[in-house]
Amino acid sequence: GAGVSQTPSNKVTEKGKYVELRCDPISGHTALYWYRQSLGQGPEFLIYFQGTGAADDSGLPNDRFFAVRPEGSVSTLKIQRTERGDSAVYLCASSLTSGRGDEQFFGPGTRLTVL
Amino acid sequence: GNSVTQMEGPVTLSEEAFLTINCTYTATGYPSLFWYVQYPGEGLQLLLKATKADDKGSNKGFEATYRKETTSFHLEKGSVQVSDSAVYFCALSRGGTSYGKLTFGQGTILTVHP
Repeated sequence: GAGVSQTPSNKVTEKGKYVELRCDPISGHTALYWYRQSLGQGPEFLIYFQGTGAADDSGLPNDRFFAVRPEGSVSTLKIQRTERGDSAVYLCASSLTSGRGDEQFFGPGTRLTVL
Repeated sequence: GNSVTQMEGPVTLSEEAFLTINCTYTATGYPSLFWYVQYPGEGLQLLLKATKADDKGSNKGFEATYRKETTSFHLEKGSVQVSDSAVYFCALSRGGTSYGKLTFGQGTILTVHP
């Protein structure tokens, strides 16, 4: 079956612009996660959705970052007033449930470059 | 808070050599432990996992044992292949809660030469 997909695969923007990153999880997966991966580092947690609600947004770095999942499937990560430090690969993952031992399936990521 | 520390890379081996990548963790409660792998040009994928102390996860010839007494989850393989060249990430999801937020180590680059 189809895996997790993310669009766009690459996004180049200018400092101060607004961007939206999209994630399509595996059908039927209730849990959805966003992570950010800087060069040479492991992914860092941003936000977790269980269904439509953001159950934990403690990893969002500041109020320029926001994410939604209005129908419990597709999610959009939104970044306002982008800064050069926002440049990274943004990863989305989904899992069937949100148990601590559940496998998360990752998308290929969106590489964001802020000039 | 929770954290994961991996041995620094990169690691370069010849084909059929023995591999160990060290991973230690700090966490409250009883976390689940994972190794994820990222092959060149591909996304992260689960390699193996262990959900309680003394469990051994295994897949594709790789093994790791959950050692609570040493807070470790070292990855081993007896004979590596060129196709094992990838970036390996150790990760945990914290215990005591009902969701699987992952905390990752910094990753270890493995290169295997013929």
